Amino acid sequence: DQQVKQNSPSLSVQEGRISILNCDYTNSMFDYFLWYKKYPAEGPTFLISISSIKDKNEDGRFTVFLNKSAKHLSLHIVPSQPGDSAVYFCAASARQAGTALIFGKGTTLSVSS
Amino acid sequence: NAGVTQTPKFRVLKTGQSMTLLCAQDMNHEYMYWYRQDPGMGLRLIHYSVGEGTTAKGEVPDGYNVSRLKKQNFLLGLESAAPSQTSVYFCASRGGGANTGELFFGEGSRLTVL
Repeated sequence: DQQVKQNSPSLSVQEGRISILNCDYTNSMFDYFLWYKKYPAEGPTFLISISSIKDKNEDGRFTVFLNKSAKHLSLHIVPSQPGDSAVYFCAASARQAGTALIFGKGTTLSVSS
Repeated sequence: NAGVTQTPKFRVLKTGQSMTLLCAQDMNHEYMYWYRQDPGMGLRLIHYSVGEGTTAKGEVPDGYNVSRLKKQNFLLGLESAAPSQTSVYFCASRGGGANTGELFFGEGSRLTVL
């Protein structure tokens, strides 16, 4: 059973608008969440993270929101740029239990100019 | 500083052949991981290691073996390749400690099994 779910395989947004990527998780032991970005033919690169003791973390145009009661997190990109077009993976781990990162299936974001 | 380096980048195998993928990291990281990426499946954890001399199974370990004889290297072996193992393989590493979650990934190794 999938522990980390990204239910939208793709998202298309116009340049300058907001992109919202969603992620749900089922394991209540997860206490650390990350977003990774992946371009074709490259390895994933770290984008932003959030600990379960917070409900928001911001880094420039990227903000991650965590709703623990709903077991849901989202990544907001404002404003979206064509260079943001990539596959975005949500990942989670139970750090205190020493588990590895579990990834979602990814969402392909396309930002048109 | 190379980070995480995977070799080879590309490989074509016939069913039943064996091969080893090598991952090397120069960041003195404790933890190392092997993931595979398949269309529509995201990144799935094959095996991982929490330190030199240790290995553990991930989500999809069957058909693979790993070894971590040196801290900087993590080897992924396929003893008898199957077409279902056609995939892109990513190695990753991270430092130790409960507060460190960021993984650093290699560029990937594309394996095709005919």
